[in-house]
Amino acid sequence: KQEVTQIPAALSVPEGENLVLNCSFTDSAIYNLQWFRQDPGKGLTSLLLIQSSQREQTSGRLNASLDKSSGRSTLYIAASQPGDSATYLCAVRGDSGAGSYQLTFGKGTKLSVIP
Amino acid sequence: NAGVTQTPKFRILKIGQSMTLQCAQDMNHNYMYWYRQDPGMGLKLIYYSVGAGITDKGEVPNGYNVSRSTTEDFPLRLELAAPSQTSVYFCASSYRREIETQYFGPGTRLLVL
Repeated sequence: KQEVTQIPAALSVPEGENLVLNCSFTDSAIYNLQWFRQDPGKGLTSLLLIQSSQREQTSGRLNASLDKSSGRSTLYIAASQPGDSATYLCAVRGDSGAGSYQLTFGKGTKLSVIP
Repeated sequence: NAGVTQTPKFRILKIGQSMTLQCAQDMNHNYMYWYRQDPGMGLKLIYYSVGAGITDKGEVPNGYNVSRSTTEDFPLRLELAAPSQTSVYFCASSYRREIETQYFGPGTRLLVL
């Protein structure tokens, strides 16, 4: 059974700092990996999606990397801003069977950017 | 496009009551999903659908039922509500399973007392 772990559970940084969020998964047979942002009381917003054949994806100040063989992904946020404060969720999709229909989520990292 | 919409936003149920959580999408997506999120936990898949008339169980289906009579709508039915079903429920949709991201609704917060 796929398990996704995110470390740290919470992170507080001063504005302007660069930061890295970590995600690890136990089964490397994945089709893709996604990073989501969740604001309090809101739904999830997709930030980046990395296919299993890719190494990284970039969007603005965000860069996500994927090392499928070691079961790890990182989300790098450059020059953090107070508006980046949210919970960041990592999710993987399996590449076969029932697991290919669902996303397996980590518990998230709650980020606070202090002005 | 409104995207994925969910109603109601919040509901309190008594133990043993039933209710239907509504979900609709206007993006002509084939795939639709229901997740639940317990406090401090990741999302878990309840049911999913690959098209009208086709549904299947996810990781935590017990206590729930779904139907999909149209491409747009994917209601989730709770029968005999229990305190363990207190959670936030998210509906999501995607056009294709493999490549595209899932788009999420704003969620329904359910409290069973």
